[in-house]
Amino acid sequence: QVQLVQSGAEVKKPGASVKVSCRASGFRFSNFGISWVRQSPGHGLEWMGWISAYNGNTYYAQKFKGRVAMTTDTSTSTAYLEVRSLRSDDTAFYYCARDTAAGTTWALQDYWGQGTPVTVSS
Amino acid sequence: DVVMTQSPLSLPVTLGQPASISCRSSHSLEHGDENTYLTWFQQRPGQSPRRLIYKVSIRDSGVPGRFSGSGSGTDFTLKISRVEAEDLAIYYCMQATHLPNTFGQGTKLEIK
Repeated sequence: QVQLVQSGAEVKKPGASVKVSCRASGFRFSNFGISWVRQSPGHGLEWMGWISAYNGNTYYAQKFKGRVAMTTDTSTSTAYLEVRSLRSDDTAFYYCARDTAAGTTWALQDYWGQGTPVTVSS
Repeated sequence: DVVMTQSPLSLPVTLGQPASISCRSSHSLEHGDENTYLTWFQQRPGQSPRRLIYKVSIRDSGVPGRFSGSGSGTDFTLKISRVEAEDLAIYYCMQATHLPNTFGQGTKLEIK
């Protein structure tokens, strides 16, 4: 069955970076992409962007450009989200969701990881 | 960005009764490819979002038939014909027609 398993909780200080992983199983990873979505009390659900596991193409929401990096490792069927220069308002649950491999709309999000809580606090 | 506005934000319901959630977008969600990328998610307490309905009205596999989606343009609705206890959750609409994808604020379905 399709599964996305994310890495564990993180606690970081302001200004640090965090890297969250999302390991896929139950489907051919390179035939799909991964969207990253975060959820916080202050901002609700926010779509951060997308990466194709087929060719590594990315699209970042303007709000996150320059501060996030999405990558994949097809040898381990794993997607990664790195967020740099962390601020207190980056405290949130970060989710990965399966998405399409290409195109100009990313509307699949049919399977989600369990979420990774990231706390940013001094 | 496209603003998605849900109403109500809290919906007290009686088990066995119908429920309806509205989602309005600030721009038409009809894409140039003739699809309308409006999705509904359900999030139960302590769980990840679960996709229920995509492209306005297509139910995901395993989603009970009491859930239905409808609408067009800027006005969309999620209906539950008879609410069951397992339906108590927060429901979100999301548009993926215009970048970036954006979500509604969520509607909390709770027992009256």
